[in-house]
Amino acid sequence: KNQVEQSPQSLIILEGKNCTLQCNYTVSPFSNLRWYKQDTGRGPVSLTIMTFSENTKSNGRYTATLDADTKQSSLHITASQLSDSASYICVVSAIGGTGGGNKLTFGTGTQLKVEL
Amino acid sequence: ETGVTQSPTHLIKTRGQQVTLRCSSQSGHNTVSWYQQALGQGPQFIFQYYREEENGRGNFPPRFSGLQFPNYSSELNVNALELDDSALYLCASSLGASGASDTQYFGPGTRLTVL
Repeated sequence: KNQVEQSPQSLIILEGKNCTLQCNYTVSPFSNLRWYKQDTGRGPVSLTIMTFSENTKSNGRYTATLDADTKQSSLHITASQLSDSASYICVVSAIGGTGGGNKLTFGTGTQLKVEL
Repeated sequence: ETGVTQSPTHLIKTRGQQVTLRCSSQSGHNTVSWYQQALGQGPQFIFQYYREEENGRGNFPPRFSGLQFPNYSSELNVNALELDDSALYLCASSLGASGASDTQYFGPGTRLTVL
């Protein structure tokens, strides 16, 4: 069964500090991995998308890494801001089958809170 | 903003009723996917439409149905509402036939409460 596990479940950090969120997956065959930011009551917004051959991808203060061998990914947030407070969701896509959404497996997210 | 809109933003219904949720995709996006997100959980895939045809479905009963229109709008219909249907319903649009490889642009969601 395809699964995506995220850790920690929640995290509180001080403004200006860095943090790293983890994602482990068992989705196969692997196509790509995405990180989304979801503000409370809003739809998810794409941060990064990485394919099998990509090890790292940055989007401003967000840097995602991917180790396809160990099936792990991380999202590193640098110099956190209050506006970074949100849920960060890891989504892994598999190859094959019919339709697109069926091949997406969502993690339950890491709830990040940035405080003064 | 993602260019994807949903209506209404909030909705309260009672058990047994029927509901229609609406989504307007980005212009030119031929694929729309619908998701159900319970509180504290990740989105669960309901179904996907490509050029007005359903081309993928998750583990949801037939009382969840949909439509996609040529003007890039779509609907999610839920019949015989149950308490467990209370959730945030998200739609996401993407360019190609397979939402798995394309970037999906999510709408803000409709918060449905079933009493």
